[in-house]
Amino acid sequence: DIVMTQSPEYLAVSLGERATINCKSSRTVLDSSSNNNYLAWYQQKPGQPPKLLIYWASTRESGVPDRFSGSGSGTDFTLTISSLQAEDVAVYYCQQCYSSPWTFGQGTKVEFK
Amino acid sequence: QVQLQESGPGLVKPSETLSLTCTVSGGSVSSDTYCWSWIRQPAGKGLEWIGYIFYSGSTNYNASLKSRVTISVDTSKNQFSLKLTSVTAADTAVYYCARLRWDTSGGGFWFDSWGQGTLVTVSS
Repeated sequence: DIVMTQSPEYLAVSLGERATINCKSSRTVLDSSSNNNYLAWYQQKPGQPPKLLIYWASTRESGVPDRFSGSGSGTDFTLTISSLQAEDVAVYYCQQCYSSPWTFGQGTKVEFK
Repeated sequence: QVQLQESGPGLVKPSETLSLTCTVSGGSVSSDTYCWSWIRQPAGKGLEWIGYIFYSGSTNYNASLKSRVTISVDTSKNQFSLKLTSVTAADTAVYYCARLRWDTSGGGFWFDSWGQGTLVTVSS
């Protein structure tokens, strides 16, 4: 199985400041034929299901604010929230679909400083 | 806007079978663009993918659960279901059903719509 490791586990950020979350996969999730990374980011608020934010490592899902951006390739990925808003307090997960079983990172909890 | 809703018993005894159903509205389980999936989340923990089914009936299961899992689809009712046999306390979790979008052009599978989740507790 591909193991997804996120860092940090907890992140405290001031309102309007940048938040950066890292995700590392134990093997590459870059598909050589499509040149796409099979990596997604999800946001989960308390008591709610996860919500798809980004796929192909950097493509925003429709309706997702542009303060959310994804980057990286191969085994190392980053989710950046450029200016943290009140509604962004949540747990964020990365997920790979390069190889079955699809696996998730353990999550990063983003809170206000 | 597709909506998914899980239903089923909230309490299951150890060694018995957990059975859940997901009812899909605003979309069709017979779509050839989507698969239909189950994911679970123990309290305070991360997400574990259980498996998915295509409308044709083809399935893909997490190998760690494969011997105990069956996912089926009922196109006439626009539902899909999960059965997990021989449950233990370790199977206590919130169970989510989700739509899995697969991208034919660029590849990849993305959980793009989720149900609200249902808590299943395994206890005698």
